[in-house]
Amino acid sequence: GEEVAQTPKHLVRGEGQKAKLYCAPIKGHSYVFWYQQVLKNEFKFLISFQNENVFDETGMPKERFSAKCLPNSPCSLEIQATKLEDSAVYFCASSPSRTGQETQYFGPGTRLLVL
Amino acid sequence: AQRVTQPEKLLSVFKGAPVELKCNYSYSGSPELFWYVQYSRQRLQLLLRHISRESIKGFTADLNKGETSFHLKKPFAQEEDSAMYYCALSAGGTSYGKLTFGQGTILTVHP
Repeated sequence: GEEVAQTPKHLVRGEGQKAKLYCAPIKGHSYVFWYQQVLKNEFKFLISFQNENVFDETGMPKERFSAKCLPNSPCSLEIQATKLEDSAVYFCASSPSRTGQETQYFGPGTRLLVL
Repeated sequence: AQRVTQPEKLLSVFKGAPVELKCNYSYSGSPELFWYVQYSRQRLQLLLRHISRESIKGFTADLNKGETSFHLKKPFAQEEDSAMYYCALSAGGTSYGKLTFGQGTILTVHP
């Protein structure tokens, strides 16, 4: 597609439940990035992919967060056993390459609310 | 580790006035710097990047390595410039591609 798509738009989970978010990057873009934005504050980098391979996962809380980008499927970000502090907007971005100069194209975000 | 600081959370100007959104960064290497903008009910989008040296919608930004700044400027603000602006940095090495964002500045241009 011409734009990065993210589903769902909104997601409400009770504490301890699982949450799964999806991202379809722009066709032809090899790189996918996930960011977390808590309370309209700064974006926190979570993880990046080059095609289906994890490129940089330094921002991922390893215990409960996992992510995948499989061929011919949307990328996904999964949170096992959600906590209140996971409430945030999760943005996905894609880029044709990973060079520092490339524009990242952002999706509209998924707003996760953990009650 | 790299860091981006936008000291103003809110900035208000009148239409036609000059506007400057401040951005300072800390990074030991040679950074790539960007300004992203989010208009109301729209997704985050690139406004400009220092490598291109472009002027987009009348905005310019100059990278000042001595002051480690990348302030965004426009000589005559318009109402449609009202939006949230984020300064972002892309570092090198294994962090290549990953963006570090500032806290954002909400710009309001009054008629």
